[in-house]
Amino acid sequence: NAGVMQNPRHLVRRRGQEARLRCSPMKGHSHVYWYRQLPEEGLKFMVYLQKENIIDESGMPKERFSAEFPKEGPSILRIQQVVRGDSAAYFCASSPTFVGGKDTGELFFGEGSRLTVL
Amino acid sequence: AQKITQTQPGMFVQEKEAVTLDCTYDTSDPSYGLFWYKQPSSGEMIFLIYQGSYDQQNATEGRYSLNFQKARKSANLVISASQLGDSAMYFCAMVLTGGGNKLTFGTGTQLKVEL
Repeated sequence: NAGVMQNPRHLVRRRGQEARLRCSPMKGHSHVYWYRQLPEEGLKFMVYLQKENIIDESGMPKERFSAEFPKEGPSILRIQQVVRGDSAAYFCASSPTFVGGKDTGELFFGEGSRLTVL
Repeated sequence: AQKITQTQPGMFVQEKEAVTLDCTYDTSDPSYGLFWYKQPSSGEMIFLIYQGSYDQQNATEGRYSLNFQKARKSANLVISASQLGDSAMYFCAMVLTGGGNKLTFGTGTQLKVEL
């Protein structure tokens, strides 16, 4: 039973290029989340998606960033016209349903995609 | 808004000893979940343990246990019989049920296990 799969693990882009990060959730998980970790910091929530729907994008920068989770295929985090400040580790996580309280605590992360912008 | 506080930026422990990593949280919501994750130098986020706010018993997973004190709003991680491979960054995180499933993370504690 494969875990959350992210690719690429490492991505180098020049300023102004586009970065696309992919995430396949664990089997049976329909909730996907993207988090960003800047160097020496904790993870910060970006976006929460279910199939074909963005549920919460309150942590996404308003410009250049977008995310999707199509009916078929992986979730994609897309960063257009990257800048040096976008250099970070981007983590995807998935859960089967709602998390917390009386709901499940099953929420697992992928190994992350490390973006370096030159 | 919820908040997670980890006051120990770095901790040392001797191999085979137990260590407690502190985590306090702040929320007025009665329904929430608390997580601990381990991040070794290789960078991946490894799930360790979960405690739901309605769970009566403290969560345990192998050598990991969560000392959940609801009235004090603390969720300390206890690692028993430390091993060299436990050296890593440890993050405490909280999710509010009905809060959009998003985790709020603490700033982490860097644990080093010594011989």
